[in-house]
Order: sequence, then C-alpha cells, then structure tokens
Amino acid sequence: GENVEQHPSTLSVQEGDSAVIKCTYSDSASNYFPWYKQELGKRPQLIIDIRSNVGEKKDQRIAVTLNKTAKHFSLHITETQPEDSAVYFCAASTPVYSSASKIIFGSGTRLSIRP
Amino acid sequence: NAGVTQTPKFQVLKTGQSMTLQCAQDMNHNSMYWYRQDPGMGLRLIYYSASEGTTDKGEVPNGYNVSRLNKREFSLRLESAAPSQTSVYFCASSERDYYYNEQFFGPGTRLTVL
Repeated sequence: GENVEQHPSTLSVQEGDSAVIKCTYSDSASNYFPWYKQELGKRPQLIIDIRSNVGEKKDQRIAVTLNKTAKHFSLHITETQPEDSAVYFCAASTPVYSSASKIIFGSGTRLSIRP
Repeated sequence: NAGVTQTPKFQVLKTGQSMTLQCAQDMNHNSMYWYRQDPGMGLRLIYYSASEGTTDKGEVPNGYNVSRLNKREFSLRLESAAPSQTSVYFCASSERDYYYNEQFFGPGTRLTVL
C-alpha cells in the first residue's frame, strides 16, 4: 500500500524567511497530493493541492512542486508570518475510480515562526 | 451549510465502556472517513465508506466498528474502550470525483479512556 514520509518533523524559521517541507510517496499510481494545515486544537484545513498532471502550483505565498519520477513533492512558504505557525501534513491519494482509493497522510511538520 | 459535523466534542470513558461517535455531512459527498490522531503523529485511517452501503478497513481498524447509516451519516463505535484508544477522532467526507479525492474534515472528538 501507499506510504508517505515527511521531513522535517519540526522546523523553525525567522519571520520573513522561507520554509520548505518535503514528502515522498511510494505508490506510483498516486495522482493527488493535498497539503493540510492544522492549528492547535483545530481540524486539518486544506491549503493547497496538486494533481499529477502538473509540476507546480502557486497560491500567493504558498507553492507546491511535484516530481513524479522521483516520487516526491514539496511545500514552499515564502515571506513567512506568525500566523503560518502550525502543523502541516502532506498526503497522497490514488485515483478514486479504484474503490480502494484513500488518502494516506505524512506524519506532520511542526512549523514555528520566530519573530 | 454546516459542512462536516461531529458529536460529541469531548468524551471520557472508563476501560470496557462502549460508545458511538457520530458524524454527518451536508455536502452530498459520496465518501466518508474516520481517522484518529495521536500526539505528535499524523492522521491514521480507521475505516472508510467509499459510497453509501459500503465500508472498508483502513490502517488501524482493530477495536472499532462503523455504520454508514445513509449518505449523510457515518458512525464509529468502540465496543469495549481501551486506554490505547485515547485520541482525537476526525471524520471527513470527500467529493470523490472520478479521479481526485479532496477531503473535508469535521471539528474532531477528543476521547479519553481511563
């Protein structure tokens, strides 16, 4: 089955600097890669996702890149702000025309922004 | 449009007690999921229901049962709670179009088993 590894587990960056979180996946059939942000005591919220037919997607200060050959994808946050402090999860999912399709999550990265 | 709702928000059980966690969604999604989240860990899939009338095991199904009551509701039952089941439980639902599996999460239930 699918396995998703996420690094680093903790990350501390100076406010205004960039943060990068990396994930690898094992199932070459995976075609959907969402990123979730979870603030303390709250539910995971989707912040950006990428589908296997594109290599990069950007939304304001957040971007995600996908390398299908190497089976890894990354989250990039530029000009970090205090409100970016949270736990970030990557995930991978196989196509849903297979009834067994489900999302497998990475173990999370705790991002702290230093003022 | 409430999205995904869960009840209760908090629950304390004694070892051996049973309880059912409730989840409902009003987005007309076909698929629903139950996850648990332990401190410092990611989300682990317990059970899921790809469509009304079907349920399947996820990564950590032992000690749990589920019921897809109708398209809106998906419940998780602990028949004999154990301290190892102390966790935060999240329900999610998915649009599940033909290719992509975008999920929306409920607010979570914090369960403590003494």
